[in-house]
Amino acid sequence: GAVVSQHPSRVICKSGTSVKIECRSLDFQATTMFWYRQFPKQSLMLMATSNEGSKATYEQGVEKDKFLINHASLTLSTLTVTSAHPEDSSFYICSARESDSGVSGNTIYFGEGSWLTVV
Amino acid sequence: DAKTTQPPSMDCAEGRAANLPCNHSTISGNEYVYWYRQIHSQGPQYIIHGLKNNETNEMASLIITEDRKSSTLILPHATLRDTAVYYCIVRARDDKIIFGKGTRLHILP
Repeated sequence: GAVVSQHPSRVICKSGTSVKIECRSLDFQATTMFWYRQFPKQSLMLMATSNEGSKATYEQGVEKDKFLINHASLTLSTLTVTSAHPEDSSFYICSARESDSGVSGNTIYFGEGSWLTVV
Repeated sequence: DAKTTQPPSMDCAEGRAANLPCNHSTISGNEYVYWYRQIHSQGPQYIIHGLKNNETNEMASLIITEDRKSSTLILPHATLRDTAVYYCIVRARDDKIIFGKGTRLHILP
């Protein structure tokens, strides 16, 4: 299957600072990428949908000024957690939707995830 | 809200077939059934998807009932590495994925 890569896989940052997580589709172009957050023992929660060349669409309750999303190319989307606080510590996961995959439903592939710890 | 219903957990003996059910009684004609799994501390892994017909790949088989209101994911020879949370997702081509709670599959040695 297609490969989606995230970087960094783990990051520790100080409270009040910002941290950027990258999501790349390695072998396909993705006009749409998605960002999720997952707390321990819970399911993945969709944060936002990122469309190449346009503003991201955020889910209800997600602060767009705190979680900045940029999707500048067909293979790269970034999530920046601004002014991070300990409660932002979580597992952040991106996914990318294959574009123009013909009859087969535009499969979405997920990255490996990024663990963020805010101290 | 997720459009599917799955049992919260299941056990399967190693080497046996694991059959994971999913109910999606409100599925629309243009919606596909997708299965993903998440092994602890990793991103979800795509397994298989289908629209109407049964599908098989190197990982699993997907059996969709004729009325499309339910499906079963079959792992033919479960191994310990198949221990994971399995998510059944219903979505149209350009839809996002909304996760439910999935089924936690335990493979017993």
